Amino acid sequence: DAKTTQPNSMESNEEEPVHLPCNHSTISGTDYIHWYRQLPSQGPEYVIHGLTSNVNNRMASLAIAEDRKSSTLILHRATLRDAAVYYCILRDLRVETSYDKVIFGPGTSLSVIP
Amino acid sequence: DTAVSQTPKYLVTQMGNDKSIKCEQNLGHDTMYWYKQDSKKFLKIMFSYNNKELIINETVPNRFSPKSPDKAHLNLHINSLELGDSAVYFCASSQFPTSGEQETQYFGPGTRLLVL
Repeated sequence: DAKTTQPNSMESNEEEPVHLPCNHSTISGTDYIHWYRQLPSQGPEYVIHGLTSNVNNRMASLAIAEDRKSSTLILHRATLRDAAVYYCILRDLRVETSYDKVIFGPGTSLSVIP
Repeated sequence: DTAVSQTPKYLVTQMGNDKSIKCEQNLGHDTMYWYKQDSKKFLKIMFSYNNKELIINETVPNRFSPKSPDKAHLNLHINSLELGDSAVYFCASSQFPTSGEQETQYFGPGTRLLVL
């Protein structure tokens, strides 16, 4: 199973950009890269996902390395509400065999300083 | 309106008991999941159900059994509870993709289980 590695924790100042790295050197061709975040005492919440190209949505941007062995989640302006644990996930989805496997890494705990 | 709900929110019980955790989703999704989050905050998938069929069954003890009375519900039944079962259990749902585009998972608020 392909796994991810992330820093245990990071700090950011409020209203500054945050770059959260993730390494997935054993990623396979069928793995999508997903990011979820978990606020204190809540369930995980979807942030963004991608396969090969960089992706943008209203919450964040996802930059994927050309060899796909690493990716970076970018929060353009951190707010206090962004303080959470961010999980970088590899999702192996094979529609033809109904195979869907999700592996959560340990996550990065992001602190936002006012 | 809550998209994915779980009951109870907290569950404290004695070793050896049998308990169930209920999960309901009102998103019209056809796939539901159960995850376990241990004290170190590792989140591990336990089961997923798609159209009442088990798709993934990770190496969890057979004391754990998912039961889906209909597409909107996936309950988790646990027999002979052990101390090591203490954790937070999350239910999630998604629409299983039929094309290459992946669907996101929506998580419930979690059930905090403590076995004494």
